[in-house]
Amino acid sequence: DAKTTQPNSMESNEEEPVHLPCNHSTISGTDYIHWYRQLPSQGPEYVIHGLTSNVNNRMASLAIAEDRKSSTLILHRATLRDAAVYYCILSYNFNKFYFGSGTKLNVKP
Amino acid sequence: NAGVTQTPKFQVLKTGQSMTLQCAQDMNHEYMSWYRQDPGMGLRLIHYSVGAGITDQGEVPNGYNVSRSTTEDFPLRLLSAAPSQTSVYFCASSYQDSMNTEAFFGQGTRLTVV
Repeated sequence: DAKTTQPNSMESNEEEPVHLPCNHSTISGTDYIHWYRQLPSQGPEYVIHGLTSNVNNRMASLAIAEDRKSSTLILHRATLRDAAVYYCILSYNFNKFYFGSGTKLNVKP
Repeated sequence: NAGVTQTPKFQVLKTGQSMTLQCAQDMNHEYMSWYRQDPGMGLRLIHYSVGAGITDQGEVPNGYNVSRSTTEDFPLRLLSAAPSQTSVYFCASSYQDSMNTEAFFGQGTRLTVV
């Protein structure tokens, strides 16, 4: 299964945009790019997913490189509630995820 | 909607004891899966199911059994608990559908084996 590489941690100021990068150079043509986040002491929750085109939803935007070897999760205005571990996951099967260690996002007031 | 419900929330076992972690979902999802999360790490897939009567192994299946007799329930059995199985266990359910992509996770069961 294709692996992803994310920075261990990032820091942001409240109300500012955050760009969380993910490298996935061995992605296959059928792999979707999923992002989940995990707040302290909770189960992961869905953020966004995409295949080839950039995607927007109420929580975030996902920018996917043209060669699909990298992607960026964009939180447009970080809030304290966005402090969490963010996981970038590749999967063609929405039931079978291989998590890495993710990026711990710290949001400063 | 209850979503994905895991019971118990906390459990302490002695080495060698057996137990079943329960997982139930009320969304009529076809797919269910079990993960474990060790401190400071991401989740690792234990077993998964693509429908009633069908299960398969994930990354770390040893020491765990599963069955799926109904769409709603997907219990995880530890036959003989070991300290290495001390972890937080998460159950998840989802559709396999690019339009309905969200996987829903339970709140977790924190298991300690002494």
